[in-house]
Amino acid sequence: DSGVTQTPKHLITATGQRVTLRCSPRSGDLSVYWYQQSLDQGLQFLIQYYNGEERAKGNILERFSAQQFPDLHSELNLSSLELGDSALYFCASSEASGGLAEQYFGPGTRLTVT
Amino acid sequence: AQSVTQPDIHITVSEGASLELRCNYSYGATPYLFWYVQSPGQGLQLLLKYFSGDTLVQGIKGFEAEFKRSQSSFNLRKPSVHWSDAAEYFCAAHNNNDMRFGAGTRLTVKP
Repeated sequence: DSGVTQTPKHLITATGQRVTLRCSPRSGDLSVYWYQQSLDQGLQFLIQYYNGEERAKGNILERFSAQQFPDLHSELNLSSLELGDSALYFCASSEASGGLAEQYFGPGTRLTVT
Repeated sequence: AQSVTQPDIHITVSEGASLELRCNYSYGATPYLFWYVQSPGQGLQLLLKYFSGDTLVQGIKGFEAEFKRSQSSFNLRKPSVHWSDAAEYFCAAHNNNDMRFGAGTRLTVKP
């Protein structure tokens, strides 16, 4: 158990809909990262927040957005969903920011868009 | 473009045999390098990482990796594989707030 929790575990929704994925980092970790894992694209970094501020952006679509709240939990919002958005979405957390920080991954949220 | 390549999609080894998983990176400067393992239905777990210094890095679960600058490689090794090592292994590189992963190598362990 990494100490990172993600809810829900599974989500099934229809195209065009909007969903919110939630992540609670390990106690004391200030950084939260979001990743998407799909058969087509593999594992891709989406976005990172550090202590409430956006720190780095990867291959995140404009239809997707994220935020980190004062209690350090984070939410990833996916809107106008397409079939291709079906994937496993991971959250990771680390104590610090930057490449030196070890990231601890949550179990993921499996999103199915029908 | 920056990239991480894992040439082997799937590897099968017998229990007790040695293992080497290949990873090559393409970056202007040497990035931070990582190996992660993902068991079915689980998130990723860090096995080891390389930032600088000794090019042979020891990790958890008996894994090690060797950084070779001349070959832009960071191959993962284990002298004797256990059935519980069956999983997907990802090589990753981090540079300038950009983390990239290889496509992964699925390891099957034969009894």
